[in-house]
Amino acid sequence: DTAVSQTPKYLVTQMGNDKSIKCEQNLGHDTMYWYKQDSKKFLKIMFSYNNKELIINETVPNRFSPKSPDKAHLNLHINSLELGDSAVYFCASSQGGLAGNQETQYFGPGTRLLVL
Amino acid sequence: ELKVEQNPLFLSMQEGKNYTIYCNYSTTSDRLYWYRQDPGKSLESLFVLLSNGAVKQEGRLMASLDTKARLSTLHITAAVHDLSATYFCAVQETSGSRLTFGEGTQLTVNP
Repeated sequence: DTAVSQTPKYLVTQMGNDKSIKCEQNLGHDTMYWYKQDSKKFLKIMFSYNNKELIINETVPNRFSPKSPDKAHLNLHINSLELGDSAVYFCASSQGGLAGNQETQYFGPGTRLLVL
Repeated sequence: ELKVEQNPLFLSMQEGKNYTIYCNYSTTSDRLYWYRQDPGKSLESLFVLLSNGAVKQEGRLMASLDTKARLSTLHITAAVHDLSATYFCAVQETSGSRLTFGEGTQLTVNP
């Protein structure tokens, strides 16, 4: 069974389009994350939800909007896609999300987004 | 703002050799993680280091943490080709669950 899954795996789209990426985890974790990995492999956190509540909201364009319908799902919607949005987007989850706790994050397979 | 720096960023080594990857970070933390990423793949957790002086070993890899020096090392012993990958360290802030990743070290082990 896949622990953290993402769909789609690949996404090729035109500039200006709106797209969504979905993430699901079956680990029973309380916290989920979205990361962006650029072409130089640099990983940067974008958002984090703990039990459906937004707890990390980095400085990203407001064209990016996360949504967590329940603690097992975290989706990412991107409006008006730009060339610079091309990257690999990783979803991750961890057990607690509370300060001071050990927080090994388990990553999904990634969504490779290419904006043309 | 927490900064995490790895070096080297690129490492090409011969099979059978030893080498160390370094991870420095800028603020107090006692939780550090090492991940491995194969090309085109996801990140796989390797080690979790939770206290000063922690040392973990798995096969040819050994990780250690010195919280006073704000330094972690990932030591590779007698490298084999299968270890070729990108290795990331990530530091957890004391105030929450946020991980800040280093730039990654791209390791290539040549036969």
